Amino acid sequence: GEDVEQSLFLSVREGDSSVINCTYTDSSSTYLYWYKQEPGAGLQLLTYIFSNMDMKQDQRLTVLLNKKDKHLSLRIADTQTGDSAIYFCAESALNQAGTALIFGKGTTLSVSS
Amino acid sequence: GAVVSQHPSRVICKSGTSVKIECRSLDFQATTMFWYRQFPKQSLMLMATSNEGSKATYEQGVEKDKFLINHASLTLSTLTVTSAHPEDSSFYICSASYIDTQYFGPGTRLTVL
Repeated sequence: GEDVEQSLFLSVREGDSSVINCTYTDSSSTYLYWYKQEPGAGLQLLTYIFSNMDMKQDQRLTVLLNKKDKHLSLRIADTQTGDSAIYFCAESALNQAGTALIFGKGTTLSVSS
Repeated sequence: GAVVSQHPSRVICKSGTSVKIECRSLDFQATTMFWYRQFPKQSLMLMATSNEGSKATYEQGVEKDKFLINHASLTLSTLTVTSAHPEDSSFYICSASYIDTQYFGPGTRLTVL
């Protein structure tokens, strides 16, 4: 079945770049997503990339997609303390009801000043 | 745009009672809504997919008689946890599908005593 893997923790210093990596298994995924979750809150869509793209940049965020290796990464430039949160990678997958999201376990990003 | 709300944000109930959680898309119509459950420090587990005007499709292992889902309009889906028990205590998050992307509500923290 579908599976999404992420490293569980990342610790960086304020001002550095953060790179969060993700691997997925469903090569038919049309879209791949990055969501951010702050403590006690829901998920905020950060960005997403269409499967026929290699890269997408949106302000401080850069998403790289290596479809051959099924590898997705999220780079946050000039990381700030407010970026501390859990980041979820997700792939779209077809289930019996239509299209669903399969989430990784989330990467906890800790930013120190 | 694409805002999803949930109500209540937090609920505490006695064992054996039923609890209803509402999920609303505020500025768009959502044919499909999703209900997830999240345990502490874990990923989101899809419980069911809710399509407006039809029965929900439940994921394997989710009891449809315990977790009643109603999607009566294009902007509202409800999840009712019937005869709640302490093991049902969790963070419940809904999402609504809009243009190939899921937008998430802020979540509902359910505590069953």
